[in-house]
Amino acid sequence: GQQVMQIPQYQHVQEGEDFTTYCNSSTTLSNIQWYKQRPGGHPVFLIQLVKSGEVKKQKRLTFQFGEAKKNSSLHITATQTTDVGTYFCAGREQGAQKLVFGQGTRLTINP
Amino acid sequence: KAGVTQTPRYLIKTRGQQVTLSCSPISGHRSVSWYQQTPGQGLQFLFEYFSETQRNKGNFPGRFSGRQFSNSRSEMNVSTLELGDSALYLCASSFWTGPNEKLFFGSGTQLSVL
Repeated sequence: GQQVMQIPQYQHVQEGEDFTTYCNSSTTLSNIQWYKQRPGGHPVFLIQLVKSGEVKKQKRLTFQFGEAKKNSSLHITATQTTDVGTYFCAGREQGAQKLVFGQGTRLTINP
Repeated sequence: KAGVTQTPRYLIKTRGQQVTLSCSPISGHRSVSWYQQTPGQGLQFLFEYFSETQRNKGNFPGRFSGRQFSNSRSEMNVSTLELGDSALYLCASSFWTGPNEKLFFGSGTQLSVL
């Protein structure tokens, strides 16, 4: 079945450093979504990418969808303590309805 | 608009018991999905309901079941609890069911099986 792998599992950075998490699917995706879960909280939708090669920005966050629609990345520029949390990618295989989540990347920041 | 509401927030059970978790979606949302979250395992899909019909099912044993009512509220049941069932169970709702729907999660039910 469809698998979505996310790396790294953990990332610790100094405040102000950049951060990137990568998401890879075993199959071609119809779209990819990103969610953020703060410590003790629940996942919150960040963004959805649909088109091959799509790039979207939200302030310091840049999201990319690969040309083959099998991988994606989230890059945070100049991290802040408010960025702490676990970032999940989630993708739907083309023609399927089930949304499959990656294992998440837990970001911690040293102020 | 109220968010997704899950009850109870915390639950402690012993092995062999059964448990029922409840989820009230955002008003107007007709799709409800359930996920199991354990440390290091991410979010494992349990099932999705839309208009009282199960649309998708994950790879969980038959001890895990669910249903959706006509008002879109959903319940999840786990019978014959095992220690490994200890997890955060998250419910998520969306307006419709389809590839472009984004999920709105509840705060979850933290289940501990002793």
